[in-house]
Amino acid sequence: NAGVMQNPRHLVRRRGQEARLRCSPMKGHSHVYWYRQLPEEGLKFMVYLQKENIIDESGMPKERFSAEFPKEGPSILRIQQVVRGDSAAYFCASSPGAGGPHIFGPGTRLTVL
Amino acid sequence: SQQGEEDPQALSIQEGENATMNCSYKTSINNLQWYRQNSGRGLVHLILIRSNEREKHSGRLRVTLDTSKKSSSLLITASRAADTASYFCATDDNAGGTSYGKLTFGQGTILTVHP
Repeated sequence: NAGVMQNPRHLVRRRGQEARLRCSPMKGHSHVYWYRQLPEEGLKFMVYLQKENIIDESGMPKERFSAEFPKEGPSILRIQQVVRGDSAAYFCASSPGAGGPHIFGPGTRLTVL
Repeated sequence: SQQGEEDPQALSIQEGENATMNCSYKTSINNLQWYRQNSGRGLVHLILIRSNEREKHSGRLRVTLDTSKKSSSLLITASRAADTASYFCATDDNAGGTSYGKLTFGQGTILTVHP
């Protein structure tokens, strides 16, 4: 069991470009959570998804950010027209059900030049 | 304001000593979890304590929960240099409706264990 996979591990984008972050949950897990971690800070919840459904996106910025978890394939966090303030580590976590421990991926470190 | 606030922000001890980290939170919770993060890496789940539990053990870890004070503590006994990491508490809140298991993290405690 490979655990939670995220790619790419590091992503560099220029201001105005798009960033696409991928997350494959642990086998058998149908609950996916995305968190953002700014330098020297704790993680902040962004969005919670189940297959083909966004359940809670209360932590997502209203503009430029979107997430999906299609029936087939990984969950995608998409950031359009990136700005320097988007530079952060983005972590995906999965769980077999709501309310249990999260299994975290290694994160994607986004740098916006 | 931050739901989970941790104290101290940084802790430096010698190998063999015990390390205690504290976490306070503001709303009612379903459970509280502790995670460890090594520099530049993902988080690793350490222990989960439910709101109706007061104490839990796992190996060298001991977690307590006081819901009346809205606080928790993580004790690492007989620390090792390999315990050096950041430690975060996270709450699964049940205030204001269904939480769906999303977690609210504290700022973390940076633990350094000197050999």
